[in-house]
Amino acid sequence: DTEVTQTPKHLVMGMTNKKSLKCEQHMGHRAMYWYKQKAKKPPELMFVYSYEKLSINESVPSRFSPECPNSSLLNLHLHALQPEDSALYLCASSQDKGSWRTQYFGPGTRLLVL
Amino acid sequence: AQKVTQAQTEISVVEKEDVTLDCVYETRDTTYYLFWYKQPPSGELVFLIRRNSFDEQNEISGRYSWNFQKSTSSFNFTITASQVVDSAVYFCALSETSGNEKLTFGTGTRLTIIP
Repeated sequence: DTEVTQTPKHLVMGMTNKKSLKCEQHMGHRAMYWYKQKAKKPPELMFVYSYEKLSINESVPSRFSPECPNSSLLNLHLHALQPEDSALYLCASSQDKGSWRTQYFGPGTRLLVL
Repeated sequence: AQKVTQAQTEISVVEKEDVTLDCVYETRDTTYYLFWYKQPPSGELVFLIRRNSFDEQNEISGRYSWNFQKSTSSFNFTITASQVVDSAVYFCALSETSGNEKLTFGTGTRLTIIP
């Protein structure tokens, strides 16, 4: 079973709101990722967690705050976002850290910031 | 620095035609991995294939086949007898093993299958 789930599917928020995106995998993977994808562009890596510890932060603004409560869950807390943050946010997981590992992606959360 | 080029931005073919999506990569590593992902309109990236640099055997999976040629740094993807469900954006990606933790994606090819 190569399933990664993400909630919510769609999210509309104002610039003063606080919201969270959730990601879950039950494949026993120890690495989890957040990507941001703008329309007609490839995904851009934001964060990598390995064994529940933050491994990579691609200089993402602090209004995005990741959290990995356990090996199956990954959250992305959003606060004071800007309209340009509107995008598809994809979560992925892999057996272990290392870009040569196959990453399995969730369906994404389509975020609109008004 | 590693780079992936998908020169075809958009391709349209009539159903049942064969179509090839091109992928050209650049890397200084001798050990690397190449991937293809499919992204249908729903948004999820679906993993299709991973190949390492030491395995140049072509691969076939149903209507899908991949042609890996190190001599031309290409990893092309062919869909035989295309179907409407094949309509999607296809991404080629490269991973090096020399400490780079990131997948490098190409810009994607939007494939439309016309019924």
